[in-house]
Amino acid sequence: DAKTTQPPSMDCAEGRAANLPCNHSTISGNEYVYWYRQIHSQGPQYIIHGLKNNETNEMASLIITEDRKSSTLILPHATLRDTAVYYCIVRPHFMDSNYQLIWGAGTKLIIKP
Amino acid sequence: EPEVTQTPSHQVTQMGQEVILRCVPISNHLYFYWYRQILGQKVEFLVSFYNNEISEKSEIFDDQFSVERPDGSNFTLKIRSTKLEDSAMYFCASSTQLGTAYGYTFGSGTRLTVV
Repeated sequence: DAKTTQPPSMDCAEGRAANLPCNHSTISGNEYVYWYRQIHSQGPQYIIHGLKNNETNEMASLIITEDRKSSTLILPHATLRDTAVYYCIVRPHFMDSNYQLIWGAGTKLIIKP
Repeated sequence: EPEVTQTPSHQVTQMGQEVILRCVPISNHLYFYWYRQILGQKVEFLVSFYNNEISEKSEIFDDQFSVERPDGSNFTLKIRSTKLEDSAMYFCASSTQLGTAYGYTFGSGTRLTVV
């Protein structure tokens, strides 16, 4: 089972920041937080990942709490094309034996004009 | 930007028939994966592949499934005798490293419909 909990759906106005929360209270010390998204009927798309420091790239920012039990993905200026299901996944960065990504139900983010 | 290419985009097959789903991973990637997603359900891991052998497989990946890298570019998933419950989107993915820092790159998927 997925080790993360996300709200099933969220709305955000176009042009505003979308803040997507994720709880991962049982995260282990060697586990990273990864975010992917899946636009309708397309393959999942990698967004960002982090261990304990906040991270930013051209797509999004990732804020991880100090205790690492939760995180927030921030899309700074959401557009209609950001409407998708967003998945938060925790896993070790380098695998000893378990290579798979374990997917939860994700958050369906709807960007409204 | 490099892409993972999957063909066909949609395949309809009769129950009991064999199907082969094809994927062309990104050229410098070394690790390859198949995932599937039944309509309205979660994405599920099937198998990972490295150095011409299976690294890990899930319970879903039973004897009816097989994977192959027949040449230097293609990565295939074969289902020997399809069942109705095999109907799903099948996604191929590749990565440069195991547990990569760069994330997996997924293809756009093959929608398999078993009738």
